[in-house]
Amino acid sequence: SQQGEEDPQALSIQEGENATMNCSYKTSINNLQWYRQNSGRGLVHLILIRSNEREKHSGRLRVTLDTSKKSSSLLITASRAADTASYFCATAANTGGFKTIFGAGTRLFVKA
Amino acid sequence: NAGVTQTPKFQVLKTGQSMTLQCAQDMNHNSMYWYRQDPGMGLRLIYYSASEGTTDKGEVPNGYNVSRLNKREFSLRLESAAPSQTSVYFCASSESPFWGVGPQHFGDGTRLSIL
Repeated sequence: SQQGEEDPQALSIQEGENATMNCSYKTSINNLQWYRQNSGRGLVHLILIRSNEREKHSGRLRVTLDTSKKSSSLLITASRAADTASYFCATAANTGGFKTIFGAGTRLFVKA
Repeated sequence: NAGVTQTPKFQVLKTGQSMTLQCAQDMNHNSMYWYRQDPGMGLRLIYYSASEGTTDKGEVPNGYNVSRLNKREFSLRLESAAPSQTSVYFCASSESPFWGVGPQHFGDGTRLSIL
């Protein structure tokens, strides 16, 4: 199974609301990354959080990491219709050369 | 800057045909990757190259070959296409020669259908 698994699989919210997506993983990690993918496009890197960090911010994005629970969350505040996309977490394992595995993603739909 | 450029964007093949997917990056990155994306399965790594002249198998290498022609270019070849290889293929690059250390930059993909 995938190292990183996002939850929920799909999320629909109104513009202006906050969106929270979660990622769980199984093995010890070096870092965890979040990516966005717009329909028909490639993935775009959002944030990288290292295993010794607990929280990072970038604009309207807030990522937390709880290594004891092997989980991470991505919060998008004051969502916009342009945030409609799929969001993926990617975990870099702490063994064997930081093997990176992508989860199946959360599809976010923001209604205007 | 163009970033990561993939060609072609779309391709339809018949079973048994061969083709090469091209990828080039203009960011002077060391590492390059080929992934396939199938519905509900996220991205799976096909091959990885840490530097010119070196390649390593990923999770799903069977049926594919790669060539790291130089630092800029990394091609993916299907020698005898099969319907199971119908997918969207993404090329990516990253600055570090070590897999997973930093962010990856992706092209916009090649949508490949095999009949």
